[in-house]
Amino acid sequence: AQSVTQLGSHVSVSEGALVLLRCNYSSSVPPYLFWYVQYPNQGLQLLLKYTTGATLVKGINGFEAEFKKSETSFHLTKPSAHMSDAAEYFCAVSEASGGYQKVTFGIGTKLQVIP
Amino acid sequence: NAGVTQTPKFQVLKTGQSMTLQCAQDMNHNSMYWYRQDPGMGLRLIYYSASEGTTDKGEVPNGYNVSRLNKREFSLRLESAAPSQTSVYFCASGEQGAGQPQHFGDGTRLSIL
Repeated sequence: AQSVTQLGSHVSVSEGALVLLRCNYSSSVPPYLFWYVQYPNQGLQLLLKYTTGATLVKGINGFEAEFKKSETSFHLTKPSAHMSDAAEYFCAVSEASGGYQKVTFGIGTKLQVIP
Repeated sequence: NAGVTQTPKFQVLKTGQSMTLQCAQDMNHNSMYWYRQDPGMGLRLIYYSASEGTTDKGEVPNGYNVSRLNKREFSLRLESAAPSQTSVYFCASGEQGAGQPQHFGDGTRLSIL
């Protein structure tokens, strides 16, 4: 069975500092991996995804994530935090399950950006 | 630029009442999903529909029913609401074969007293 662990339910960074949100996964088959962002009172937006190929994936808003199979990790990074990055971030994993891709979400990490 | 539209945005029900949450998407996606979001638990899939005319259970289907009315619309019904169903409900859509939901609505905040 697949699972996702997000380390740290709350992360605070200073404006301009590096953002690092951690995600580890468990999957019995090669996984697809995703990061979503959720702003207050809104639905989730897909930031980026890894399926196959290049292990460094670039997404929207300057975010990127690297798939490391040996570490079963897919950490999300951004070189310089902006105030507008304050939101909740969800890591997710999927693998084929019957006729569709079953997606399992982590519990989320709330990012606070301090001016 | 509507994307995925959910109605209502807020609702308060009494235990035992029924209601239907509506969802419509204008992106011509085949796949549609209903999730619930609870604090500390992430999102959990209630039901999904891979294409018009088909629906399947997700992780937490008990107490819910769905209807894929046409390609655009996917409704979620609570026949007899219970306090445990107090949650934020999200509808989502995606292209068939994409591997994940791509677009989410803004959610319905449902409280059951």
